[in-house]
Amino acid sequence: QKEVEQNSGPLSVPEGAIASLNCTYSDRGSQSFFWYRQYSGKSPELIMSIYSNGDKEDGRFTAQLNKASQYVSLLIRDSQPSDSATYLCAVIQGSSNTGKLIFGQGTTLQVKP
Amino acid sequence: DTEVTQTPKHLVMGMTNKKSLKCEQHMGHRAMYWYKQKAKKPPELMFVYSYEKLSINESVPSRFSPECPNSSLLNLHLHALQPEDSALYLCASSQEFRTGPFLSSYEQYFGPGTRLTVT
Repeated sequence: QKEVEQNSGPLSVPEGAIASLNCTYSDRGSQSFFWYRQYSGKSPELIMSIYSNGDKEDGRFTAQLNKASQYVSLLIRDSQPSDSATYLCAVIQGSSNTGKLIFGQGTTLQVKP
Repeated sequence: DTEVTQTPKHLVMGMTNKKSLKCEQHMGHRAMYWYKQKAKKPPELMFVYSYEKLSINESVPSRFSPECPNSSLLNLHLHALQPEDSALYLCASSQEFRTGPFLSSYEQYFGPGTRLTVT
C-alpha cells in the first residue's frame, strides 16, 4: 500500500462545475495535510493546508479531512480553465519527528470551456 | 511574502562540468529543502537543512553536494553528473522542520525551480 494515494486522472470537468480531488493516506497518526497545485513546467504552489477534521474553505477551494477514514479531499467550485493543472496531495506522517512531506502521485485536472 | 527565489532558471551542463544551483528566501524560515522532480512524478526529497545544519540526506549520490552558507541561502553543487540527473530541481523552505507545537510551521513553499539538462 502506498503511503499517499491519489487517482492520477485525468479528471475532466466542464467549466463552472465542481471538481472533486481525493487522497488517502496510510499512516493513521498523520496530522498535517497539504494540497499543492502544479502547472505544467512550473513548481508546486501551496493552495491549502488542513490539520483538523472537517472542512476548511478559502475562496473557491475547500479542503476536507476525515482522519477516521484516512481521507482528505479538495473541492474546487466554479472550476475555470485556469484551474487545469496537476494537484498534489502531501502528508506529514505522525510517526515522523520531522516535517518530511510524503507526496501522492498527483491528479491531473482538465477544465473544459 | 512567501517568495523563494532560485537561480539559474535553466542550466545545461556536460558530464565533466561543475556548476551550482542557488536558492534564497527572506521569510525568516529556518528549514530549507532540495527536491528533484522528474516529468509526471511528484517531487523527491534530496536534502533538508534545519537551522543551517544538514538534517536529512536521502541517500543522494555524492555528485550532489549541498551547502547552507547562512539561514537565507542554500546551494547545491553539481559535479560529474549523469544524463539521468536531468530534472527540475526545486528549493523549498518552511518555518520549522523538527517537531514543534505549530503544525503550520511545516508548510513548505517552493521556488520556481531550475531546469537542469545534463548532456
